[in-house]
Amino acid sequence: KNEVEQSPQNLTAQEGEFITINCSYSVGISALHWLQQHPGGGIVSLFMLSSGKKKHGRLIATINIQEKHSSLHITASHPRDSAVYICAVGWFGNEKLTFGTGTRLTIIP
Amino acid sequence: GAGVSQSPSNKVTEKGKDVELRCDPISGHTALYWYRQSLGQGLEFLIYFQGNSAPDKSGLPSDRFSAERTGGSVSTLTIQRTQQEDSAVYLCASSLRSSGGANEQFFGPGTRLTVL
Repeated sequence: KNEVEQSPQNLTAQEGEFITINCSYSVGISALHWLQQHPGGGIVSLFMLSSGKKKHGRLIATINIQEKHSSLHITASHPRDSAVYICAVGWFGNEKLTFGTGTRLTIIP
Repeated sequence: GAGVSQSPSNKVTEKGKDVELRCDPISGHTALYWYRQSLGQGLEFLIYFQGNSAPDKSGLPSDRFSAERTGGSVSTLTIQRTQQEDSAVYLCASSLRSSGGANEQFFGPGTRLTVL
């Protein structure tokens, strides 16, 4: 059983819509990472957080440690936001990241 | 500054041949990671290097896989006697230091390996 669950697996929305992607994990973590992977492209780290909330431009990431849940929000979505968004968690005393299966986001003009 | 680079970008090989994949981390980054992304599947941890410490090889799928990191910089992932199930994108990442999964990792563009 994957220890990191993402939802939805696929998401299609109209340009301008508010997007939410969810990630839940099973046990306490040291940090949670949100990554972006464009088709045919490399992986870019968007956020790393262990508590609270972070914002970068139109992207917002939140984490609730008690509920073991994180969300990635995109405001005023744009077609260039179309990508696979991956949640990954790090565990204390362990350098491995465990990855979710990703959410494929498509923004339609 | 330069990011993480990997070579080759694409590699096609025949079943049974050995392949070497190279990763150049960001200068000054002491931690280096190899991951694999098979078609339609998520990312999978393979191996981790931190400075001069013994690497964490716990993610390597079989003894056909090995990796080394020379001089604390460049790393090579070697797959011996390749099998079709080894076909995947192999990604390298580096980070400034290690601290229990709580470091931002910078990813290379990956090497797409196809085993015929």
